[in-house]
Amino acid sequence: DTEVTQTPKHLVMGMTNKKSLKCEQHMGHRAMYWYKQKAKKPPELMFVYSYEKLSINESVPSRFSPECPNSSLLNLHLHALQPEDSALYLCASRTGTSEYNEQFFGPGTRLTVL
Amino acid sequence: QKEVEQNSGPLSVPEGAIASLNCTYSDRGSQSFFWYRQYSGKSPELIMSIYSNGDKEDGRFTAQLNKASQYVSLLIRDSQPSDSATYLCAVGGNNDMRFGAGTRLTVKP
Repeated sequence: DTEVTQTPKHLVMGMTNKKSLKCEQHMGHRAMYWYKQKAKKPPELMFVYSYEKLSINESVPSRFSPECPNSSLLNLHLHALQPEDSALYLCASRTGTSEYNEQFFGPGTRLTVL
Repeated sequence: QKEVEQNSGPLSVPEGAIASLNCTYSDRGSQSFFWYRQYSGKSPELIMSIYSNGDKEDGRFTAQLNKASQYVSLLIRDSQPSDSATYLCAVGGNNDMRFGAGTRLTVKP
């Protein structure tokens, strides 16, 4: 089973709203990732959680706030976003943090900020 | 210099032909390489991983790695219209994975 699930599939929010994206995996993976992907661009790394600890924050604006409540769950809290934050937000997981570990993506959340 | 480079395409091949997708990387110490397929509006899907020099085959897909030349490629035999997608090359790292910009492939019936 290589399934990573994400909810919601689509999200439309205003610039003053607060919302959260959710990601879940039950593969026992210990590394989880948030990526942002704009049209015709590769995924852009935002955050990495390794063994439930934040290990990489790629200078992401504070209006994005990650949370890892347990080894299976990853949230991304959104507040006061800008229209340019509209993108596909991808969650991914890996067995571990070794360079040899394969990484699997969830289906993504399509976010539109009005 | 970009870490992982791919020809953005588009690459167009006729149905039944061999599609050849190429990728170069800058970090000579890199040891793990991955190919992802991404259909328009969907998330990337892992196709192949390769760690050793040479060829690795999986069905119609063959990944080729040449560490001396810092080059990795993906061959798709008997290309089908359903193979039309963007193919992302990725290099594994500790804690992260570095992606190329992707090559858009179109297979024409």
